[in-house]
Amino acid sequence: LAKTTQPISMDSYEGQEVNITCSHNNIATNDYITWYQQFPSQGPRFIIQGYKTKVTNEVASLFIPADRKSSTLSLPRVSLSDTAVYYCLVGVGGGYNKLIFGAGTRLAVHP
Amino acid sequence: DTAVSQTPKYLVTQMGNDKSIKCEQNLGHDTMYWYKQDSKKFLKIMFSYNNKELIINETVPNRFSPKSPDKAHLNLHINSLELGDSAVYFCASSQVLAGGVQETQYFGPGTRLLVL
Repeated sequence: LAKTTQPISMDSYEGQEVNITCSHNNIATNDYITWYQQFPSQGPRFIIQGYKTKVTNEVASLFIPADRKSSTLSLPRVSLSDTAVYYCLVGVGGGYNKLIFGAGTRLAVHP
Repeated sequence: DTAVSQTPKYLVTQMGNDKSIKCEQNLGHDTMYWYKQDSKKFLKIMFSYNNKELIINETVPNRFSPKSPDKAHLNLHINSLELGDSAVYFCASSQVLAGGVQETQYFGPGTRLLVL
């Protein structure tokens, strides 16, 4: 299973763009990269998933370079409600996925 | 409608007691999971069931026994509770996909267990 490394914490201000980078040097060919968000006292929530290049949805963008050894979650114009822990995961793929959560990145958005 | 629900939300009990946590999902998924999040906030998988069959069983004390009466339910029974069992337990569900795509897991709100 590919191990992931992310910054422990980040601080930002409302309205700014936040980029959280995750390293996964040992990613396997069939692994996808997935990001989850966890608010205090809640379960993790899926944000975005990608395999290569760029993926965008209504919440975030995910940038994956050609070598796939890292990925960057981009949150445009964050608000106070984006304060949460963000987890980068690299899955086994092929069903029966065992999500391996690291420590995550604690994002604090300030007024 | 709540997609993944857990009961109870809070559970305070004495060491040595036996307790159960229930989980239900109404998403029609075929796979359900139990995760434990300890005081340091690390979230670790404990068990996974696919169509009522155990498919993932991490290194968890055998005091923990999951039971899946049907695809929509996965309960967790804990015998002889210990102080170290205090944590938040999350249930999750997903639909297994073919072709190596990592399916999205949907998590419940968590059950906060405190063992005194």
